[in-house]
Amino acid sequence: DTAVSQTPKYLVTQMGNDKSIKCEQNLGHDTMYWYKQDSKKFLKIMFSYNNKELIINETVPNRFSPKSPDKAHLNLHINSLELGDSAVYFCASSRPLGTGGELFFGEGSRLTVL
Amino acid sequence: GNSVTQMEGPVTLSEEAFLTINCTYTATGYPSLFWYVQYPGEGLQLLLKATKADDKGSNKGFEATYRKETTSFHLEKGSVQVSDSAVYFCALTLIQGAQKLVFGQGTRLTINP
Repeated sequence: DTAVSQTPKYLVTQMGNDKSIKCEQNLGHDTMYWYKQDSKKFLKIMFSYNNKELIINETVPNRFSPKSPDKAHLNLHINSLELGDSAVYFCASSRPLGTGGELFFGEGSRLTVL
Repeated sequence: GNSVTQMEGPVTLSEEAFLTINCTYTATGYPSLFWYVQYPGEGLQLLLKATKADDKGSNKGFEATYRKETTSFHLEKGSVQVSDSAVYFCALTLIQGAQKLVFGQGTRLTINP
């Protein structure tokens, strides 16, 4: 049973389109994240939610809108896609804040904008 | 600010060679330190961690010691295997407040038989 699952795994789309990536975790964690990994493998946090509440928003363009319908799900919607949005997007989850615990990552969603 | 700097890759070694991947950090508080590994086509998974100075994290033959005096957390393994080929990420997090992992740039390791 996959702990953190993302869909779709691959996404190819044209500039200007709107797309969504879904994430679900079955670990019972309170905190979920979106990370972006660029072509050089550099990983940077985008958002973090704790119990459906946004707690980290790292200077991400407002074309990116996360949504957490419940604490097991954190979806990422991207409007007006640009070439520079091409990357692998990783969802992750962890135990409550302040515990310094491990992050559990999904397998990633590779977005290619043409 | 908080940051992590890793040894530039890629690193290519022969099987059974000794591995060191250097990692140094800058942090405003007292971070916890991590090594994550990303195998081809997969997400990241925790390899080992240390939460305070002089702690040693170890797993699967890999070790790293939290050195506060040199602000380092170098990853070592005595005898690498082909299956260790992956990208390795050093990271830190400050456990006060919002938990945010700050990653180094990653080091690609290839082990040849």
